[in-house]
Amino acid sequence: TQLLEQSPQFLSIQEGENLTVYCNSSSVFSSLQWYRQEPGEGPVLLVTVVTGGEVKKLKRLTFQFGDARKDSSLHITAAQPGDTGLYLCAGEGVTSNTGKLIFGQGTTLQVKP
Amino acid sequence: KAGVTQTPRYLIKTRGQQVTLSCSPISGHRSVSWYQQTPGQGLQFLFEYFSETQRNKGNFPGRFSGRQFSNSRSEMNVSTLELGDSALYLCASSLGYGRNTEAFFGQGTRLTVV
Repeated sequence: TQLLEQSPQFLSIQEGENLTVYCNSSSVFSSLQWYRQEPGEGPVLLVTVVTGGEVKKLKRLTFQFGDARKDSSLHITAAQPGDTGLYLCAGEGVTSNTGKLIFGQGTTLQVKP
Repeated sequence: KAGVTQTPRYLIKTRGQQVTLSCSPISGHRSVSWYQQTPGQGLQFLFEYFSETQRNKGNFPGRFSGRQFSNSRSEMNVSTLELGDSALYLCASSLGYGRNTEAFFGQGTRLTVV
């Protein structure tokens, strides 16, 4: 069974601080997606990484896929209150021939003004 | 371009009843997946449909079923509701079927079983 472990589960920081969220597995994934979800809403896709070692930037957010495609990280620079939400990583298994996603448990981020 | 539409947004049902949830994917998308989200278990995969056929199924009891219509719209049904079925049910739409296809989620249907 493929599992994705996210850490930390909760993070409360002050505006302007930097943070990193990790998503780890012992399994290889063909791709990994990061989502942000706000209370009462569905997850919103932020980025998809496919190639081992790939780095993608979205304004103050930097996403990296591990060389072995078993792990990923999300780094936020100078966090703002608008970054508050639940961050989810989701992976597609290499042995899977479907679009089924395996989700991590999520990281709840609170950015205080 | 309209996003994924799920109806209804909120639903309250009694134990033992059944419920049907609806999902309209993004125009042109042919794949629909369903997920259950609870505080304890997170997001768990229910099933995936492509071209009116169920392609993959998660580890849920047979009380959970679904279908997809020729216009790609999908419904999921839960029969004999239990308290533990209370959750946010999310539908995800993808352009195609298979690997590396990005999934776009609807706002979800919040089901409460009392």
